[in-house]
Amino acid sequence: DQQVKQNSPSLSVQEGRISILNCDYTNSMFDYFLWYKKYPAEGPTFLISISSIKDKNEDGRFTVFLNKSAKHLSLHIVPSQPGDSAVYFCAAPIGGSNFGNEKLTFGTGTRLTIIP
Amino acid sequence: DAGVTQSPTHLIKTRGQQVTLRCSPKSGHDTVSWYQQALGQGPQFIFQYYEEEERQRGNFPDRFSGHQFPNYSSELNVNALLLGDSALYLCASSLDGSSYNEQFFGPGTRLTVL
Repeated sequence: DQQVKQNSPSLSVQEGRISILNCDYTNSMFDYFLWYKKYPAEGPTFLISISSIKDKNEDGRFTVFLNKSAKHLSLHIVPSQPGDSAVYFCAAPIGGSNFGNEKLTFGTGTRLTIIP
Repeated sequence: DAGVTQSPTHLIKTRGQQVTLRCSPKSGHDTVSWYQQALGQGPQFIFQYYEEEERQRGNFPDRFSGHQFPNYSSELNVNALLLGDSALYLCASSLDGSSYNEQFFGPGTRLTVL
């Protein structure tokens, strides 16, 4: 049962434009969400997170938006750079906390390609 | 600091065999989690070790077992390998109670079962 879903396997964006990656979830008990970035031959690296008490969290070029009523979150990258080309995963702790000892459930990922 | 390291990088086994994968956590970390990432899928939680005990477990059969040593390093063992066990196995380390931005993944071990 896929509790976190990323329906776009791939996305191509011109350098300098905005990249928008989407994620839907089914479990209304989820309280905290994370985005990870993964390069080939490397493990996922934490990118940005958001708590359900917020609807937006920003960190430099990266902004995550949360729409709890729609059970939807999105990651915006602006401006997109060639180094942003990677696979992006959204994830949620099963237990809902923001402590790193919770098991995470991941989406299937979106491969982002930035075109120079 | 070498970060999280995993060995071996790649491994090829045949059905029915047993395999052991190893993980050394980032210095100062005491918690190790293991994930399986099949092709085209996101990582799936296998289990987590803390204080040499399995603290949490995902929906994986008993063929998957693990161990954590006093130096916090960890092993993942898989018995009676199936073709479907072919995947990238990721290890993540953290300090108990820390937040997710302080959890680090290793590069993974690519297991191929023939």
